[in-house]
Amino acid sequence: GEQVEQLPSILRVQEGSSASINCTYENSASNYFPWYKQEPGENPKLIIDIRSNMERKQTQGLIVLLDKKAKRFSLHITDTQPGDSAMYFCAASERQGGRALIFGTGTTVSVSP
Amino acid sequence: ETAVFQTPNYHVTQVGNEVSFNCKQTLGHDTMYWYKQDSKKLLKIMFSYNNKQLIVNETVPRRFSPQSSDKAHLNLRIKSVEPEDSAVYLCASRRLGDYEQYFGPGTRLTVL
Repeated sequence: GEQVEQLPSILRVQEGSSASINCTYENSASNYFPWYKQEPGENPKLIIDIRSNMERKQTQGLIVLLDKKAKRFSLHITDTQPGDSAMYFCAASERQGGRALIFGTGTTVSVSP
Repeated sequence: ETAVFQTPNYHVTQVGNEVSFNCKQTLGHDTMYWYKQDSKKLLKIMFSYNNKQLIVNETVPRRFSPQSSDKAHLNLRIKSVEPEDSAVYLCASRRLGDYEQYFGPGTRLTVL
């Protein structure tokens, strides 16, 4: 079945620097790419998403890039803060399959002061 | 309050027992999902369901079955639990025509 690869699995950064997470997908029919943030003991929360008709989206310190030819998308957290420490998941979905999300394997981001 | 609600928060049971988890959404959404998050934090789709169609991930064992009374509810039943079923089960919902999915708080199952 469809797979979404996510790297790195662990990311340690200094406060104020940028953090980048990369994902690749297989299914060329995928057209929606959300990013979720999950804190310990909590459910995943949608932080930003991008649809296939866009290449770039930015909101509140988050940037998402999508390269459909390469089947690659990425999340960039600018000016990281300790509150950005969490697990981050990328996902992909397509219309078939009821828009079920196929998740990447997750990235643990740790921001140190 | 509009959200996705799940009960129970936690459930501990023995191998071979039957369990059932509840999910209710008050967002007026049309499609609901069950995901499994294992001990390595991997998130995998189990079921997608709207009024017309149930889509089952082919890797889901037959002892798992979704049960829906209306579009606001999608429960999950496990007929005879096994140790590998220990995980957090997350319910989510989406409005037809939209893309975003919203997750409930999850039910943590421990099988002894």
